[in-house]
Amino acid sequence: NAGVTQTPKFQVLKTGQSMTLQCAQDMNHNSMYWYRQDPGMGLRLIYYSASEGTTDKGEVPNGYNVSRLNKREFSLRLESAAPSQTSVYFCASSALETQYFGPGTRLLVL
Amino acid sequence: QKEVEQDPGPLSVPEGAIVSLNCTYSNSAFQYFMWYRQYSRKGPELLMYTYSSGNKEDGRFTAQVDKSSKYISLFIRDSQPSDSATYLCAMSGGTLSGGSYIPTFGRGTSLIVHP
Repeated sequence: NAGVTQTPKFQVLKTGQSMTLQCAQDMNHNSMYWYRQDPGMGLRLIYYSASEGTTDKGEVPNGYNVSRLNKREFSLRLESAAPSQTSVYFCASSALETQYFGPGTRLLVL
Repeated sequence: QKEVEQDPGPLSVPEGAIVSLNCTYSNSAFQYFMWYRQYSRKGPELLMYTYSSGNKEDGRFTAQVDKSSKYISLFIRDSQPSDSATYLCAMSGGTLSGGSYIPTFGRGTSLIVHP
């Protein structure tokens, strides 16, 4: 039982490049979330998904797209990376009010 | 004013001390209260979960909710260097948004327990 897994662990991009962050959970949770965490800003919700095929915007969705591929997987895509997207990205899943987080992806955009 | 306020610290205490971590909130609809612990360069992990008011104890950890004052606390007894981490509070009204529960997180308090 791996919980929530994320790939890659660390990535360096140049401005304008694109990439997809992958997330998978094996807890059979319906809801999945993407957050970014920046110093002094706490966790900010980017997008979330209540079930396969549904996604909703969170607090900071601009510059990101998501795909809920199936119940297990929820990916986050940066189409044209910007330095402001340098951050640590966490995926989470939940069945009810409590969330379970992955280990994070550290992204540096130059 | 943010919905959830949490002092970022750092809070530095000697080993063995009793630690008190706190959050205040403004939304009276919050009913579910969580504490997460986040070690450096790791993801947050759920530590305590309480519903409505009252206390909940788990080993050295006690979570306390005072809804009348809109104030929640996490107490750590006999603190250890391994407790050094950032502690995030989170709370939810228990209502679905787009089919999911969306908690509101505090910004976290950094705790350092020195030997």
